[in-house]
Amino acid sequence: DQQVKQNSPSLSVQEGRISILNCDYTNSMFDYFLWYKKYPAEGPTFLISISSIKDKNEDGRFTVFLNKSAKHLSLHIVPSQPGDSAVYFCAATKTSYDKVIFGPGTSLSVIP
Amino acid sequence: KAGVTQTPRYLIKTRGQQVTLSCSPISGHRSVSWYQQTPGQGLQFLFEYFSETQRNKGNFPGRFSGRQFSNSRSEMNVSTLELGDSALYLCASRLDRGDYTDTQYFGPGTRLTVL
Repeated sequence: DQQVKQNSPSLSVQEGRISILNCDYTNSMFDYFLWYKKYPAEGPTFLISISSIKDKNEDGRFTVFLNKSAKHLSLHIVPSQPGDSAVYFCAATKTSYDKVIFGPGTSLSVIP
Repeated sequence: KAGVTQTPRYLIKTRGQQVTLSCSPISGHRSVSWYQQTPGQGLQFLFEYFSETQRNKGNFPGRFSGRQFSNSRSEMNVSTLELGDSALYLCASRLDRGDYTDTQYFGPGTRLTVL
């Protein structure tokens, strides 16, 4: 039973355009959400997070939106750059140091 | 500050053997988590250790075990290896100062191939 879903295994975007990566979750108890980026032969690196008390969090070119009623979050990258080409993992957790559950990932290719 | 290190980086074993993977967290980090990454499955949570105690556990069989030492270094062991255990095993550490939003920092992983 996959509690965090990323239904698009891959996404291609032109350089300079917006990249939108989507994530759905099933467990309404999740209250903290994260995005990680992973390059080949490296471990994932933290990108941005959002608490369930917010519906938007922004960090430079990266913005995460949370829709709790739909159990959906999305990561927007504007403008997209070739260096953004990587696998993006959505993750969720509950407070009190519960385990972090990751989605299967979306491979983003930004075409110059 | 040195990052999370994992040894070995690559490992080839045969079915039925056992394997031990090692993880050294960032200095001062007290929590270590282990994940298994396979194509299409994302990162599957194995277990988390804090102060030498297992704090969380994923849905893996008992063949997968781990431990944490007093210096926060951690090892995970897989006994009676199966072909399906071939994966990238990732270790992550975090400061764990009482704030669950502490960022996890991942190591580069150990690529295990079971033949």
